[in-house]
Amino acid sequence: NFMLTQPHSVSESPGKTVTISCTRRGGSIATNFVQWYQQRPGSAPTTVIFEDYQRPSGVPDRFSGSIDSSSNSASLTISGLTTEDEADYFCQSHDVSSLVFGGGTKVTVL
Amino acid sequence: EVQLVQSGAEVKQPGESLRISCKGSGYTFTSYWIGWVRQMPGKGLEWMGIINPGDPDSRYSPSFQGQVTISVDTSIDTAYLHWSSLRASDTANYFCVRRRSSHYDTAPLAGYFDTWGQGTLVTVSS
Repeated sequence: NFMLTQPHSVSESPGKTVTISCTRRGGSIATNFVQWYQQRPGSAPTTVIFEDYQRPSGVPDRFSGSIDSSSNSASLTISGLTTEDEADYFCQSHDVSSLVFGGGTKVTVL
Repeated sequence: EVQLVQSGAEVKQPGESLRISCKGSGYTFTSYWIGWVRQMPGKGLEWMGIINPGDPDSRYSPSFQGQVTISVDTSIDTAYLHWSSLRASDTANYFCVRRRSSHYDTAPLAGYFDTWGQGTLVTVSS
C-alpha cells in the first residue's frame, strides 16, 4: 500500500502561477503514472493531466504535469491563473493492488 | 457523446439495502472498465472498486471489500453499486467513472478516469 500527500491549500493572484505537489509515500513515484483531476464546487471531477504530463483534448496548455524522482513527487502547475481555476485538485496513482487519490488541494485565486 | 448517467439521490435508514446505477452511452459499454468513487461530505475522493463489463472481472479497495458489491448488466449498459445493509457512515456522494486504459500499462488499475457520472448523493439517517 502507498499514500499520496498533497498540501491542503494554495492561493495566488490572477495571472500568476501555482504549483501543487503530490508526494508518494511507499514506492517510487516513477513506477506508475500519475493523474490529476479538477473538481469545481458542486461538480464532478474532470481530468486535467493523465500519464504524468499528458493533457486531454480541451484542457488548456496552462496546465502542465511533471515528475521529480529525487523528491518522489509529482507536480501540477497552473500558469496564468484565472478565477475559473478555483477548484479542488486531486492527484491519483496506483500499484498492483490498489488505486489511490491524494487528499486534495484547494486552489484559491485571490 | 460519451456519458455516464447515474440514478437519483437516495435517503435511507440504517440497515436498509440499496442499489444505485450508472448507465453508459455513446460508446461500447463492454470495452471500458467502470469504477466507483466515494466522496464523503466535505472530503476527498476514495476509490471503491472497478469492474470489467466484458468479463466481468472486478477489483475492490481493501477499505470497501465485503462492504459493497459492484455489478453490471450489459444488456442495458448499466453498472451498479449495492449495499446489503447501510450505515450512517455510508452517507456520501458516489461517482461512477469510466477507465481509459494506458498504452504502456495493461494492469486493471492503470489508466485514468476519462468520464465521470454526475454523482449520486446517498443519505443514511434514522
